Amino acid sequence: GQQVMQIPQYQHVQEGEDFTTYCNSSTTLSNIQWYKQRPGGHPVFLIQLVKSGEVKKQKRLTFQFGEAKKNSSLHITATQTTDVGTYFCLKGAQKLVFGQGTRLTINP
Amino acid sequence: GAVVSQHPSWVICKSGTSVKIECRSLDFQATTMFWYRQFPKQSLMLMATSNEGSKATYEQGVEKDKFLINHASLTLSTLTVTSAHPEDSSFYICSAPGPGDTQYFGPGTRLTVL
Repeated sequence: GQQVMQIPQYQHVQEGEDFTTYCNSSTTLSNIQWYKQRPGGHPVFLIQLVKSGEVKKQKRLTFQFGEAKKNSSLHITATQTTDVGTYFCLKGAQKLVFGQGTRLTINP
Repeated sequence: GAVVSQHPSWVICKSGTSVKIECRSLDFQATTMFWYRQFPKQSLMLMATSNEGSKATYEQGVEKDKFLINHASLTLSTLTVTSAHPEDSSFYICSAPGPGDTQYFGPGTRLTVL
């Protein structure tokens, strides 16, 4: 079936270190979206990638969509305590499939 | 920006009772809404797709008679957990596709069944 594998499941870093989470799909994606969920909160949309090889940046966050449109990554440069939360990728429009999420914790 | 509300934000009920959760899109219309449940420290699990004017589509393993979904209007979907049991205790979240086809999530409803 349609799946999105997301790794790692957990990541603990020192404040200031970089962080990356990856999503891999078994099928070609039309687009992929990324969301962040703070502890106790609900997911909030971060970005959508559509084009093959697309790279988008939001301040310290860099999002990439693979050339084959089967994988995507989110990279945070120099993490801050405000980056704590779980990052999910999402594929689909009518049929939504979330990645398992990567929970990021940071040691200040 | 687009806003989705949920009510109630938390509820505690006795085993065997039914609980209704509302999901509203406040400033946009949504012919489709999605319902999820989330256990602690786990990812969102899609339960069902709510369709305005037609029956909801349930994911495999989700009992449609236990989780009743009604998409009453273009801005309201309700999820009723019938005959709730302690194992139904969870965080229930809805979302609606808004501008740009991104998902806008409600703040969630924490259900505790005693």
